[in-house]
Amino acid sequence: GAGVSQSPRYKVAKRGQDVALRCDPISGHVSLFWYQQALGQGPEFLTYFQNEAQLDKSGLPSDRFFAERPEGSVSTLKIQRTQQEDSAVYLCASSSRDNPGDTQYFGPGTRLTVL
Amino acid sequence: AQSVTQLGSHVSVSEGALVLLRCNYSSSVPPYLFWYVQYPNQGLQLLLKYTSAATLVKGINGFEAEFKKSETSFHLTKPSAHMSDAAEYFCAVTLGKGGKLLFGQGTELSVKP
Repeated sequence: GAGVSQSPRYKVAKRGQDVALRCDPISGHVSLFWYQQALGQGPEFLTYFQNEAQLDKSGLPSDRFFAERPEGSVSTLKIQRTQQEDSAVYLCASSSRDNPGDTQYFGPGTRLTVL
Repeated sequence: AQSVTQLGSHVSVSEGALVLLRCNYSSSVPPYLFWYVQYPNQGLQLLLKYTSAATLVKGINGFEAEFKKSETSFHLTKPSAHMSDAAEYFCAVTLGKGGKLLFGQGTELSVKP
């Protein structure tokens, strides 16, 4: 079956531009996560949704970062007024339930480069 | 606070040799532990996970890991390395009810012919 998909795969933005990154989770998956992976580092948690409810946004680095999942399926991560330090790979993951032992299935990521 | 430490940012082995990637964690509660593999320009793929059942966990591609509570370790092993095992490996622990993952820094595995 189809896995988690993300678009675009690559995004180049000029400093100060706004960007929107899309995640299509596996159909029917309740939980959706966003992670940020800097070059040579492990992924770091940004935010988490259970259906349409954003239950944890403790990892968002600033108020320039905003995420939504209005219908409990597709999610969008928006970054306003991008800065060079926002350059990273943004990974989306989904899991079937809301259980901490559940497997998270990851998308291929969106590589954001801010010039 | 919980943490995950992977010893060795880069491990190199010969094809056919034992693979050992180390992971230590700290957690105030019984943890859920995961090993993920990442190939270049791809997302993360689950190798195996520990969810408080058997302490020796078998995963895909011949990998296994043993949960040792006394040592707070969850090391990943494979008896015989294959060239296709070359990739980045991440150990992770679940934080909190929602299941967000805390990852280690990663270990890059190289396999020499």
